Amino acid sequence: NAGVTQTPKFQVLKTGQSMTLQCAQDMNHEYMSWYRQDPGMGLRLIHYSVGAGITDQGEVPNGYNVSRSTTEDFPLRLLSAAPSQTSVYFCASSPLLQETQYFGPGTRLLVL
Amino acid sequence: KQEVTQIPAALSVPEGENLVLNCSFTDSAIYNLQWFRQDPGKGLTSLLLIQSSQREQTSGRLNASLDKSSGRSTLYIAASQPGDSATYLCAVYFHTGRRALTFGSGTRLQVQP
Repeated sequence: NAGVTQTPKFQVLKTGQSMTLQCAQDMNHEYMSWYRQDPGMGLRLIHYSVGAGITDQGEVPNGYNVSRSTTEDFPLRLLSAAPSQTSVYFCASSPLLQETQYFGPGTRLLVL
Repeated sequence: KQEVTQIPAALSVPEGENLVLNCSFTDSAIYNLQWFRQDPGKGLTSLLLIQSSQREQTSGRLNASLDKSSGRSTLYIAASQPGDSATYLCAVYFHTGRRALTFGSGTRLQVQP
């Protein structure tokens, strides 16, 4: 198993550009989530999904969209990038939320 | 507001020392608590998961305890090694609120050889 994979590893955007961060898992996990990690602030939840076709907002959803058309993929879309979205983004999955979470390696995003 | 707090933010110890990392949470109604390790520039690796009904979990030199009534968990690392240097994060799945983990800010551990 590849586990949880994220692409790209690193991305530079200009303010106003849009992009999609990819996340995929090959463990047939129902639960997937996106976090952002900023210095001194820990991980904050952006969006999550409890199964294909079901998504919900987390703590900091503004400026981000998600969809879950398959069990394997959970892409995160930045609609119009802002410097405040400069961060490291992590995707995670688990069979159920009550079980161990598996994290991807992260995507470092710099918005100029 | 449901919060998770980790103190201290940073800790430096000599190799071989036993140490305890602390995690506190504001609501005792939890499903589980997880400890993660994060190396610089890397993702998170799950170390231990303690379900609400459990008091502790052990894996090798690591032991995590849970006291729901006081809203506390500790991660005990025995005979620390330089390879244990990393940031350790505590995360809680609360009964109420969002169906997601709430993370503490982490404790950055440095084990000096």
